[in-house]
Amino acid sequence: DQQVKQNSPSLSVQEGRISILNCDYTNSMFDYFLWYKKYPAEGPTFLISISSIKDKNEDGRFTVFLNKSAKHLSLHIVPSQPGDSAVYFCAVSSSGSARQLTFGSGTQLTVLP
Amino acid sequence: DTAVSQTPKYLVTQMGNDKSIKCEQNLGHDTMYWYKQDSKKFLKIMFSYNNKELIINETVPNRFSPKSPDKAHLNLHINSLELGDSAVYFCASSGIAGSDEQYFGPGTRLTVT
Repeated sequence: DQQVKQNSPSLSVQEGRISILNCDYTNSMFDYFLWYKKYPAEGPTFLISISSIKDKNEDGRFTVFLNKSAKHLSLHIVPSQPGDSAVYFCAVSSSGSARQLTFGSGTQLTVLP
Repeated sequence: DTAVSQTPKYLVTQMGNDKSIKCEQNLGHDTMYWYKQDSKKFLKIMFSYNNKELIINETVPNRFSPKSPDKAHLNLHINSLELGDSAVYFCASSGIAGSDEQYFGPGTRLTVT
């Protein structure tokens, strides 16, 4: 049973526009949320994160929004650039003696020039 | 200078063989992980070691055995390889036990024929 869902396997956006990637989770015990970016033939790289005590975190062109009541988080990229084209994974974790990341299946973002 | 490295990058082998994948990190991190990315692109945790001690062991076949000679290395040994073991395997590390921000290696694509 998937605890983390990224329902859009792919997204295409025009350069300069906003990219919005979505992620839903099922377990309200999750308290830390992350986005990773992955290029082909490379490992995922950390992008941005947010804890459950916040509803927004911004880092340059990247903003993550968290809606705890809806168990939903989103990543906004604005303005989108061709170099942003990659697979984006959301990941969640929960407090405990051995925190571990649970990943979604990823969304392939293509930014068209 | 590579932070998390894995060798080999590609591994093609026949069913029934035994193989190893090596992982090294030069970040001084205490915790290392192995993930498997299956055909559906999900990244799933397999093992986690903190200071050479196993702290996460997800439900994986006994044929998979991690070995940590020191905290900078976490190798993955796989015995009696099966077709279903074909996947991309990622090593990762983090600075604090179970820290949410993990640094990934480039992955090892294992193909079992």
